[in-house]
Formats: sequence, C-alpha cells, structure tokens
Amino acid sequence: GENVEQHPSTLSVQEGDSAVIKCTYSDSASNYFPWYKQELGKRPQLIIDIRSNVGEKKDQRIAVTLNKTAKHFSLHITETQPEDSAVYFCACNQGGKLIFGQGTELSVKP
Amino acid sequence: GAGVSQSPSNKVTEKGKDVELRCDPISGHTALYWYRQSLGQGLEFLIYFQGNSAPDKSGLPSDRFSAERTGGSVSTLTIQRTQQEDSAVYLCASSLKAERTEAFFGQGTRLTVV
Repeated sequence: GENVEQHPSTLSVQEGDSAVIKCTYSDSASNYFPWYKQELGKRPQLIIDIRSNVGEKKDQRIAVTLNKTAKHFSLHITETQPEDSAVYFCACNQGGKLIFGQGTELSVKP
Repeated sequence: GAGVSQSPSNKVTEKGKDVELRCDPISGHTALYWYRQSLGQGLEFLIYFQGNSAPDKSGLPSDRFSAERTGGSVSTLTIQRTQQEDSAVYLCASSLKAERTEAFFGQGTRLTVV
C-alpha cells in the first residue's frame, strides 16, 4: 500500500546540536525521496532530495541517507540554528505521485 | 517566470455552497498535484495530473470533490456542497514531470466553511 511513516512528530534540540528525522516507506518501486521544510504560514519548500542510485547526499549542514533494502531514509541537520525551526516533511514517489509523511515539528532553542 | 500561483488566497463560504479553487502551474511543468493540509497536520494527497490526464484520483475524499486540467496548464479543484470538515488549506504543486523531479508549491488557498 501507500504509506510513509515519519518519526518523531516533534523534536526539540539546543542550538548547535544535531537533529535526525527518520522515514520509512512501503513501495519498493519508489526511487525519489525529497525533504521539504515548511515555516509557519508558508508553503513547503524543497531542501534536499535523493534518488535511489545513491546512498547519501550532503548540502552544507544538511544530509540525507537512504537504505533501499530496509526502505528507510533519514534527514540529518548538524549545527542547528534557531532559523532551522520549522515543520519538516519527507516524501517519496509512488506511481508518479508524491506521498508525504506526517511531518516533524523541529524546535531549536537558543 | 513566476512560481505556482493559486487563487483565491482565502475563501470563506457557507456550508452547502460550491467552491472552485484555481492553480496556475509553472510554465512547462507537465505534472500537477493537489494536496489538502488541515491545521497543524500533514499533506494529504488528493489527485495528480500528468498533462491533462489524472492517472490517480484515489485521494479525493468523496464524490463532492472533482478536479480538471485543461491545455496542460491551469487546474481547478471543485468542492460541491461544502461541509465544515472541508475547511483546510488546499495546496497545489507542479513539477517538470511526474517522476523524480522537484515539486514546487503554490501559496495555497485557505478554505473556511461556516
């Protein structure tokens, strides 16, 4: 079936610490895994994505890892800053559509 | 040119009335998606278009919901006989093609049914 599970639903960290958000998916045919950030009252925006031909991708303080065998992928944010506070959504493609996880509300305390 | 544009930004309607929400995708984007986001909740998939065709309508909550896309561009989401539980933000997104490419979101239409 179509299912993307995301954990945790809320995450609170101190500024400078790392944050990790994990997602699992059910469709073994999925091959595209984007992560979106949604600030309060704004539209979701892509922050990083990974395709199934690689296991890890980094962009400055953000990294994503993918384990296709286990059907899970994770977002890693290092050296967190207050402006990282937002809701983060994972997603994966299923038959042409994008299915999103339930979101993680990240709070970075100064 | 411009990003994904949705109109109206806000819509207040009386229970039982029909509403029409509009999405203008980025020019040249063949894939278009509709999602619903209730307050503090996730992105619930409604329907997606590849060109003018809708290969997957499985997310539409009931037969009161319908969507169409003409000319491979503008899409409208219609909700008939609105109910209070339809109140939410309706987000549209478009991507160059359906598979493996970034989806860009519009600012959404906040629908309130009173």
